[in-house]
Amino acid sequence: GPKVLQIPSHQIIDMGQMVTLNCDPVSNHLYFYWYKQILGQQMEFLVNFYNGKVMEKSKLFKDQFSVERPDGSYFTLKIQPTALEDSAVYFCASSWTGNYAEQFFGPGTRLTVL
Amino acid sequence: GDSVTQTEGLVTVTEGLPVMLNCTYQTAYSDVAFFWYVQYLNEAPKLLLRSSTDNKRTEHQGFHATLHKSSSSFHLQKSSVQLSDSALYYCALSDDYNQGKLIFGQGTKLSIKP
Repeated sequence: GPKVLQIPSHQIIDMGQMVTLNCDPVSNHLYFYWYKQILGQQMEFLVNFYNGKVMEKSKLFKDQFSVERPDGSYFTLKIQPTALEDSAVYFCASSWTGNYAEQFFGPGTRLTVL
Repeated sequence: GDSVTQTEGLVTVTEGLPVMLNCTYQTAYSDVAFFWYVQYLNEAPKLLLRSSTDNKRTEHQGFHATLHKSSSSFHLQKSSVQLSDSALYYCALSDDYNQGKLIFGQGTKLSIKP
């Protein structure tokens, strides 16, 4: 079936550095999402993105976070600067439509901030 | 806000026996869809079941679930589990207003023993 790829699978960085998480969504999908999962906790919505714009962001989506998808390439999540509490697995997802559509998830990027 | 609550932690079932993973929810919205996602070890979460119709049974890959709005539940069931069903199962909801955002439960790990 359709696959979402995430690069890298693991990233270790020092607190205060910038990190960019990359997502290669399903090719004809129009809606894109980031979710955050801290170890042992549930996946939580961060942000969704459609037609080049953020549609909604949660309270977890701090000012240090940004997303973009320049020219239909990777859908990226950038954190600048990183903080210790940003350590988590970040899942990217994409869907053809918005409401109630199946979201296809990537395998996640495990981010460790030291 | 919306919330989803699942059976806590780990559920262990002997191969061939039935299983039910509980999922209850709270939402202020009437137009809502519900999902079960399954995540096998080292893989991405993928959709198992989806429903938005009250009292209608939905089935896929031997699993079934029925949305009961009267009890705010969307429990996942299987009559005879297999070793390959060992995975992490997430219940989630999406309401119309939030354009596809998924609210996840904490996940239930299902372990099947021979």
